[in-house]
Amino acid sequence: EVQLLESGGGLVQPGGSLRLSCAASGFTFTSHAMGWVRQAPGKGLDWVSAISHFGDEIYDTESVKGRFTISRDNSKSALYLHMNSLRVEDTAVYYCARRGGDTGWGGFDVWGQGTVVTVSS
Amino acid sequence: EIALTQSPATLSLSPGQRATLSCRASQSVRSDLVWYQQRPGQAPRLLIDNASKRATGIPARFSGSGSGTDFSLTISSLEPEDFAVYYCQQRREWPLTFGGGTTVEIK
Repeated sequence: EVQLLESGGGLVQPGGSLRLSCAASGFTFTSHAMGWVRQAPGKGLDWVSAISHFGDEIYDTESVKGRFTISRDNSKSALYLHMNSLRVEDTAVYYCARRGGDTGWGGFDVWGQGTVVTVSS
Repeated sequence: EIALTQSPATLSLSPGQRATLSCRASQSVRSDLVWYQQRPGQAPRLLIDNASKRATGIPARFSGSGSGTDFSLTISSLEPEDFAVYYCQQRREWPLTFGGGTTVEIK
């Protein structure tokens, strides 16, 4: 079964750090680009970051540049999001998602269940 | 940044009725437009990629059309499980962007 399982969310104070992890299984990890998408409470979907199949291309939304770092470990079929200098507005459910399609750069065709990040003092 | 505007914000319909959702891009995304469904408390689910290609396992009552800046998602006959929020997303340019969503609710 194709599956993504996030972990690492929690409550953190403003200015703090967290590392989110995403364990992938059931598919060839290196055949797909991967990404993180977040959803603030009661709001819509917001793309955060993406990484190419072998990690040589990385793209981030403007609001997280310099604060968040996406990475992957293909030997472990794992995706990560290192989050520093967290702000209250980063509070959201963070989803790990696989990019599909023939090239592995298509729409997000597999999603994890999400992990909750709460930034509050 | 490419902005996506979805309309209407809310669609109130009865089971069996036809639903038509719109997504308009601020500039051409060619056919690089994706549709997702999100039910309450669940992760999004891919419905349509490349503007009109149904994802694996998606029922034939879901169809997508359009190219350039104007797109639509049609649900030919609403089933009870189709009442949810629908998002469009462009993958033509970075940053990837999502529309604000259309809620399809039971009338």
